[in-house]
Amino acid sequence: DTAVSQTPKYLVTQMGNDKSIKCEQNLGHDTMYWYKQDSKKFLKIMFSYNNKELIINETVPNRFSPKSPDKAHLNLHINSLELGDSAVYFCASSQGVFGELFFGEGSRLTVL
Amino acid sequence: EDKVVQSPLSLVVHEGDTVTLNCSYEVTNFRSLLWYKQEKKAPTFLFMLTSSGIEKKSGRLSSILDKKELFSILNITATQTGDSAVYLCAVRGEYGNKLVFGAGTILRVKS
Repeated sequence: DTAVSQTPKYLVTQMGNDKSIKCEQNLGHDTMYWYKQDSKKFLKIMFSYNNKELIINETVPNRFSPKSPDKAHLNLHINSLELGDSAVYFCASSQGVFGELFFGEGSRLTVL
Repeated sequence: EDKVVQSPLSLVVHEGDTVTLNCSYEVTNFRSLLWYKQEKKAPTFLFMLTSSGIEKKSGRLSSILDKKELFSILNITATQTGDSAVYLCAVRGEYGNKLVFGAGTILRVKS
């Protein structure tokens, strides 16, 4: 039983397209996150939701829009994809805002 | 801005060796420091150290936190090839749910 699952795992697309990544957690956690890991392996936070409410919104282009339909799901939609968006996007969840994060396996996005 | 610096960036050891990975940080109103292991995919949680828990141990892995000098170390004794991974250090500061990661240390254990 996968605790934090993301789909798709791999995504190859052209510049200018719009794409979405979905995330679901079955841990009963109330806080979810999107992190971006670039080619240098830096994990950088993008967004965080607590009980479906956006609580962290880092300096991310507004082409990126997260949506949390319920506590167990957090999706990421990206408009007008650019080359620099190529990265691995990790979803994570935690119980409360101070708990340890549990990560999904990542979605590798390649923009051509 | 919160900052985490890990060293070394990478190292190669032989099975059975002991390794020490370093993590120094600057953070406003420190809350906790976490260690993760990342093999091919998802980072997996190892330890969380806070003001009330500055030393943790699990099997061959142990970690300590020095809040005065603002650093933590992760020790791995009797290394095995399965320990090969990227080890990530992260800190939580004033905004508790914002975990700031270091660049990681790439560990390769040769048989």
